[in-house]
Amino acid sequence: GESVGLHLPTLSVQEGDNSIINCAYSNSASDYFIWYKQESGKGPQFIIDIRSNMDKRQGQRVTVLLNKTVKHLSLQIAATQPGDSAVYFCAETYSGSARQLTFGSGTQLTVLP
Amino acid sequence: DTAVSQTPKYLVTQMGNDKSIKCEQNLGHDTMYWYKQDSKKFLKIMFSYNNKELIINETVPNRFSPKSPDKAHLNLHINSLELGDSAVYFCASSKPGQGAQGYTFGSGTRLTVV
Repeated sequence: GESVGLHLPTLSVQEGDNSIINCAYSNSASDYFIWYKQESGKGPQFIIDIRSNMDKRQGQRVTVLLNKTVKHLSLQIAATQPGDSAVYFCAETYSGSARQLTFGSGTQLTVLP
Repeated sequence: DTAVSQTPKYLVTQMGNDKSIKCEQNLGHDTMYWYKQDSKKFLKIMFSYNNKELIINETVPNRFSPKSPDKAHLNLHINSLELGDSAVYFCASSKPGQGAQGYTFGSGTRLTVV
């Protein structure tokens, strides 16, 4: 079946540096993409989303880029902080899916002091 | 005032047993979901349910059944538990039109089958 995948399972960055987490998706019908953060012992928490009619969206310290041509999604975190250490997931869904989310396999981000 | 609450948080049980995990949301959402997260952190949808329809992921064994006594609750019942059922199960809820910001997950139930 179709799935959303991540390029890197782990990522370590120095505190203060920028982080980039990548995601590839394969369902061309997907029209809505979301990034989630999951801390240990907790459920996924919404970070930022983007619809397929956009290619960039910015939030507080985070930016999501969408390249529909190559079916690629990325999450950029500016000035990474220790509290950003977590597993990050991309997820996708599409109209008519009853809003069921298809998740990627996750990237463990570790922020080094 | 937890938005989506699951009980129990941890569940250890023997193979062959039947168990239930409860989920309640106080957000007034219309749709509830169950997701399974395996040991490699992969999250996969199991069910989505609102008062109109139940959508079951085709890969979910029929030993798993969602039960919804009312709009605020979606419990997960599992028959004849197997070792491979060990995972963290997340309940979630959403409301049409709110987007992913309104899509709220519970804190998970860690099921261990021994």
